Amino acid sequence: SQQGEEDPQALSIQEGENATMNCSYKTSINNLQWYRQNSGRGLVHLILIRSNEREKHSGRLRVTLDTSKKSSSLLITASRAADTASYFCATDATAGANNLFFGTGTRLTVIP
Amino acid sequence: EPEVTQTPSHQVTQMGQEVILRCVPISNHLYFYWYRQILGQKVEFLVSFYNNEISEKSEIFDDQFSVERPDGSNFTLKIRSTKLEDSAMYFCASSPQGSDTQYFGPGTRLTVL
Repeated sequence: SQQGEEDPQALSIQEGENATMNCSYKTSINNLQWYRQNSGRGLVHLILIRSNEREKHSGRLRVTLDTSKKSSSLLITASRAADTASYFCATDATAGANNLFFGTGTRLTVIP
Repeated sequence: EPEVTQTPSHQVTQMGQEVILRCVPISNHLYFYWYRQILGQKVEFLVSFYNNEISEKSEIFDDQFSVERPDGSNFTLKIRSTKLEDSAMYFCASSPQGSDTQYFGPGTRLTVL
């Protein structure tokens, strides 16, 4: 399997705190994407970081990528109760394939 | 903002029956995908479709599965003879030319009894 795991599996924080989720993968990638999934709903694309990028920001989201360690992190700053969801990283293969490999996800709960 | 839509939202079927799950990708997108998520497990790739043919498929996508783009807007996944283990959320996704971002629909929950 190309995809590794996210950690932690579950994270519970107070509103206003920052949340950090990590993702590891096993093979070379073109890019890595983070998605969010509210319970029982579809996947919402959050951010994409390319293999030649090390850090990317989008609003309250900050993503880092370390290709030497085959890992990525997603930081959500100043969390809100509405951020409660599962967060998944997904990678694609470098050989021209465009299917995504998803991790197991981190279940984030933000307590108001 | 345009989005991927899927119907039905929930499908209940008897084992051995055929089901067709429907998706309407975003209108100017050229790449289409199906994924599934068994309850509590990872999202798994099934198949990708481009230029009216399958470009990749996973081991899950066996002869019981087929995809079709019957017209300019719909993209369907057919399971010929459903099994209990086909029970899952099925997600359709699409992406435009030149982009690696895949946009997902809300999913169809398939329950096989």
